Amino acid sequence: DAGVIQSPRHEVTEMGQEVTLRCKPISGHDYLFWYRQTMMRGLELLIYFNNNVPIDDSGMPEDRFSAKMPNASFSTLKIQPSEPRDSAVYFCASSLGAPPTGTDTQYFGPGTRLTVL
Amino acid sequence: GENVEQHPSTLSVQEGDSAVIKCTYSDSASNYFPWYKQELGKRPQLIIDIRSNVGEKKDQRIAVTLNKTAKHFSLHITETQPEDSAVYFCAASIGQGLTGGGNKLTFGTGTQLKVEL
Repeated sequence: DAGVIQSPRHEVTEMGQEVTLRCKPISGHDYLFWYRQTMMRGLELLIYFNNNVPIDDSGMPEDRFSAKMPNASFSTLKIQPSEPRDSAVYFCASSLGAPPTGTDTQYFGPGTRLTVL
Repeated sequence: GENVEQHPSTLSVQEGDSAVIKCTYSDSASNYFPWYKQELGKRPQLIIDIRSNVGEKKDQRIAVTLNKTAKHFSLHITETQPEDSAVYFCAASIGQGLTGGGNKLTFGTGTQLKVEL
């Protein structure tokens, strides 16, 4: 398996522009997570999905951020309009849920380094 | 919600010495505690995890201990090597297998480990 795939790996944009980050989870995984990593705030969970349904978006910083998962193999995180404080590394992760004990292990993608000028 | 504190923020050891990183958590319902290693510019990668039904787990030079009563867990690395230099993150969650919580990980702030020759 290729692991979690993210694109683009690097994105440089200007303030006010729309940014779309993409993620392909590991095949068969039914949980997908979006994280943001900065020096100041560390690793923050933004939102996660279970079977393509958003379960908890309490970490999404504001309405400028939105995430979708139209099918089991694709998710997007969109920022519109982008601001310099959105500059960070955005990670996507996936895990396989299997009751009753579950596996819980989250596998991270390589990340997208976003720079908003 | 869950709060995870991690100490120390930086740790410098001589090659061959042991390193210990400690974390505390606030939610007594948490039952899954993974540790991730993140090398510079790379993704976080799981190195070991422990569930609340065990007190200790070992994998070669790495071990994790859990004290549920005190709500703290620790990472122990023995015989450190230069390649152990990285940032280590602890995390806690209510594993989805028990409550369907979906394994929402809360991360500590990270420990920068430097192994000196």
